[in-house]
Amino acid sequence: AQSVSQHNHHVILSEAASLELGCNYSYGGTVNLFWYVQYPGQHLQLLLKYFSGDPLVKGIKGFEAEFIKSKFSFNLRKPSVQWSDTAEYFCAAGRGGGYQKVTFGIGTKLQVIP
Amino acid sequence: EPEVTQTPSHQVTQMGQEVILRCVPISNHLYFYWYRQILGQKVEFLVSFYNNEISEKSEIFDDQFSVERPDGSNFTLKIRSTKLEDSAMYFCASSDSHSEAFFGQGTRLTVV
Repeated sequence: AQSVSQHNHHVILSEAASLELGCNYSYGGTVNLFWYVQYPGQHLQLLLKYFSGDPLVKGIKGFEAEFIKSKFSFNLRKPSVQWSDTAEYFCAAGRGGGYQKVTFGIGTKLQVIP
Repeated sequence: EPEVTQTPSHQVTQMGQEVILRCVPISNHLYFYWYRQILGQKVEFLVSFYNNEISEKSEIFDDQFSVERPDGSNFTLKIRSTKLEDSAMYFCASSDSHSEAFFGQGTRLTVV
């Protein structure tokens, strides 16, 4: 069965600290990978996506993620977090091709302390 | 930028009542989805819809749920007889054949 695992459920960091959120997926065949962010009271927004090509993907707001096929991983990174990055982060995976149904990880709540 | 819109943003209903959650997908998209997120849990897939029919549904999507595209723009989720455990945030999403799914802002359903 398709599944997505996120290792850290709640992360607390000080401003300017570096961030890495782990994500592993279990998917047969071609996979599309995503990180979504949900700011308090707002809807899910796409941070970045990987469909094919360069495994290092850059997204909005200084985030990046690296697809490592051999490890079935797609970890999210940011070198220096800000208070405004406080949000919940969801890793998601879907089959390749046009149909974009995704399976979500449980989410990681990030709290950045000023 | 085009976006998926959902109404209402918050709905409170009594147990046993029917509710209809509404979504307007992005206009040129072909695939439509409903997901839900029970408080404190992960976002779960409910159903996908393509070419005017359900293309896939999860085991959560039982006979009390139905989806419809009543006209060219709306995509609705109906829950026939709501239960307390249906309380959740419901997200609509849409995609075309080339891009990721775009999500709406969600409808918070509270069943009392």
